[in-house]
Amino acid sequence: DSGVTQTPKHLITATGQRVTLRCSPRSGDLSVYWYQQSLDQGLQFLIQYYNGEERAKGNILERFSAQQFPDLHSELNLSSLELGDSALYFCASSAAGEVGQPQHFGDGTRLSIL
Amino acid sequence: DAKTTQPPSMDCAEGRAANLPCNHSTISGNEYVYWYRQIHSQGPQYIIHGLKNNETNEMASLIITEDRKSSTLILPHATLRDTAVYYCIVRVEYYSGAGSYQLTFGKGTKLSVIP
Repeated sequence: DSGVTQTPKHLITATGQRVTLRCSPRSGDLSVYWYQQSLDQGLQFLIQYYNGEERAKGNILERFSAQQFPDLHSELNLSSLELGDSALYFCASSAAGEVGQPQHFGDGTRLSIL
Repeated sequence: DAKTTQPPSMDCAEGRAANLPCNHSTISGNEYVYWYRQIHSQGPQYIIHGLKNNETNEMASLIITEDRKSSTLILPHATLRDTAVYYCIVRVEYYSGAGSYQLTFGKGTKLSVIP
């Protein structure tokens, strides 16, 4: 158990819809990262938040957004969903300071777009 | 971040040591080597990381060459549960704390432990 909790585990929805994925980091971790894993693209970094502020963006679509709340949990919002958004979405967290600190991953949310 | 090269697949007999190589010939002085693994579609699991010295923990050992251009992850006694995709990642570390620390995953090595 990594200590990172993601909900829901599975999500099935239709094209054009909007969903919210939730992540609770390990106790004390200030950084939250979101990654997407699809069959053809592998694991790709989407976005990072550190103590409530956006720190870095990767290959995140404009239809996607995220935020980190004062209690440090994070949400990834996906809107105007397309078939190609079907993927596993992972959240990871790491400790403050971060130098030489590993990221610990949750078990992911499997998103299926019908 | 430095690019890494790993063999796409390897087999290992159960109970034997699994030695997974990684080439990172363009690594720079402030880059750590991290190893993760992913079992089926579970979340990537952190294994070990190091900068210059060899490292060992309860899961594995990490051997980094003196020039730091390559490393080897060693699972001392592989079991069937070690069957997974293993990722070697090189990540720059900003000692000022101002950087971002996202991981760039390649295709990894698919390790199959054979009974």
